[in-house]
Amino acid sequence: YDLTQPPSVSVFPGQTATITCSGRKLDDKYICWYQQRPGQSPTLVIYQDNKRPSGIPERFSGSNSGNTATLTITGTQIVDEADYHCQAWDGTTFLVFGGGTKLTVL
Amino acid sequence: QVQLVQSGADVKKPGASVKVSCKASGYIFTSYAIYWVRQAPGQRLEWMGYINAGNDNTRYSQKFQGRVTITRDTSASTVYMELTSLTSEDTSVYYCARGRGFEGLDYWGQGTLVTVSS
Repeated sequence: YDLTQPPSVSVFPGQTATITCSGRKLDDKYICWYQQRPGQSPTLVIYQDNKRPSGIPERFSGSNSGNTATLTITGTQIVDEADYHCQAWDGTTFLVFGGGTKLTVL
Repeated sequence: QVQLVQSGADVKKPGASVKVSCKASGYIFTSYAIYWVRQAPGQRLEWMGYINAGNDNTRYSQKFQGRVTITRDTSASTVYMELTSLTSEDTSVYYCARGRGFEGLDYWGQGTLVTVSS
């Protein structure tokens, strides 16, 4: 099972950043999103499509419909500049990651 | 607070094996699974396998089946990941991470760089 993400997304501070993750019948699966700053371990920011772990700012939200899951960062801040990885739970491969998207805050 | 502390960086020769440890603290060890994920330079995160720390059940990615073994020591709240028959393509940062059901991998270790070089 394969998950496809755009390699890069750019946004100005204060704008809304949208990062997509595509896969066949993706809405049949639960999606997680991870933030990874350079040289650091990933951090879970969204699980079960749209739930935020405690401590994750409200500006992070997620959705999943059809073949596309979306991570939205509303009012993007400079500290949000990082790589973002989607992850799905799949019945065959069990756990699969997307290729990652580098978010640049201009 | 929840912590996963991994063993230090390692250098191995092709054909050798590596064993990375992941010591958990700050939560009930047997209530969660521990996953192993690796990331080669410039590559995507790659799931290798997991162990249910409560019942010792394991599951491995087909890609690593036969080469990876994940074990636990409940008395030490530690999980181990051993990878055999190393090649240069196994040069990666290896992470352990805690997970439960479909709740995502909510805590990660600091990562262990394994370099395979002759």
